[in-house]
Amino acid sequence: GNSVTQMEGPVTLSEEAFLTINCTYTATGYPSLFWYVQYPGEGLQLLLKATKADDKGSNKGFEATYRKETTSFHLEKGSVQVSDSAVYFCALRFPPGAGSYQLTFGKGTKLSVIP
Amino acid sequence: GAGVSQSPSNKVTEKGKDVELRCDPISGHTALYWYRQSLGQGLEFLIYFQGNSAPDKSGLPSDRFSAERTGGSVSTLTIQRTQQEDSAVYLCASSLGGVSNQPQHFGDGTRLSIL
Repeated sequence: GNSVTQMEGPVTLSEEAFLTINCTYTATGYPSLFWYVQYPGEGLQLLLKATKADDKGSNKGFEATYRKETTSFHLEKGSVQVSDSAVYFCALRFPPGAGSYQLTFGKGTKLSVIP
Repeated sequence: GAGVSQSPSNKVTEKGKDVELRCDPISGHTALYWYRQSLGQGLEFLIYFQGNSAPDKSGLPSDRFSAERTGGSVSTLTIQRTQQEDSAVYLCASSLGGVSNQPQHFGDGTRLSIL
């Protein structure tokens, strides 16, 4: 079936460090891929997305590239800030015609950035 | 503009009682989703509504769970005879139609605690 696997946390980094959160997926066809972020005490927010192979999603200094050959969508940021502390979720959405388009999520990775 | 609104934000109830959770999607969004976020299971899909089509109930964990969407807008998720394992954050999301590359916008959730 369709699934998303992301690196387990928690991840603790110093401010201005480089961030990578790995995400790989298993899916039939070519899903759309998403990263969502959940700040403490808040709901899920869409961070970035990519809808086809080799697309790069970017937002707020974060980027992720849709790699079909490795079925991956790793999240990166060159210099993290304390305000980036949150839980990050990788997700995919079924290809058209394959279902009701619900999101399938990874387990989430908690990031803590210390000054 | 207004985002997805959920109420109540917190609900504490005794085991065996029925609860109703409400979701008001973004105006104009025809697709509506319910998810559950719990410590042990991560984020799980529960049910999906798209326009006037029959809902996809494939994620509902038991027949104690049901949901309706009146007039293609507001949705209510009902849990009958609640059990302690129902304790979780229930998230509602909406999107413009069911096309896979349309992002889902989430509410802040209802935190349900069963005593």
